[in-house]
Amino acid sequence: AQKVTQAQTEISVVEKEDVTLDCVYETRDTTYYLFWYKQPPSGELVFLIRRNSFDEQNEISGRYSWNFQKSTSSFNFTITASQVVDSAVYFCALSEAPSRGSEKLVFGKGTKLTVNP
Amino acid sequence: DSGVTQTPKHLITATGQRVTLRCSPRSGDLSVYWYQQSLDQGLQFLIQYYNGEERAKGNILERFSAQQFPDLHSELNLSSLELGDSALYFCASSVGAGVSYNEQFFGPGTRLTVL
Repeated sequence: AQKVTQAQTEISVVEKEDVTLDCVYETRDTTYYLFWYKQPPSGELVFLIRRNSFDEQNEISGRYSWNFQKSTSSFNFTITASQVVDSAVYFCALSEAPSRGSEKLVFGKGTKLTVNP
Repeated sequence: DSGVTQTPKHLITATGQRVTLRCSPRSGDLSVYWYQQSLDQGLQFLIQYYNGEERAKGNILERFSAQQFPDLHSELNLSSLELGDSALYFCASSVGAGVSYNEQFFGPGTRLTVL
């Protein structure tokens, strides 16, 4: 069975601090996809990144970076120089291979990030 | 704007009632997914339809049902509502299913409150 664990329920930082959100996943598939979504207070789900299981390169997008390590089944998300607008709930998610017929997402419980001015 | 529309945006009803949530996928998308976000269960997959046929089922209660119509819009029917059904219901759509990876695009959600 697939499972995503976000052990950090809530994190509070002061603006300009760096913060890392942890994500650990479980799957028996060799092909899978990992995602991060942001849910601001307004409630919509905002897609941030998708990674497939064969691409372990780390990715950087502006102040955001992601560290994918298959050896530890982790896909961690770092925000550098955090800003108040980064305050949101962040979800890590896992999707099995398309060949299984459905790309349904399995979500972690989410990490609520509060960035204080 | 993802291109996925959901109506209504908010719904307030009483226990025991029945409601219908509607989702219109992005133009050209054949797959529709329903997810429920509740305080107890978090964000969980309910059901997927592909081109009118049920494709995958998750933790969907027997009191809930869904369908996808020939014009590809989908409806999620919730009956005999209980307080615990209060949640944010998301619909997502994607181009296809089962061949190569297909990105899911999420709608804004319908917030259901059961009093």
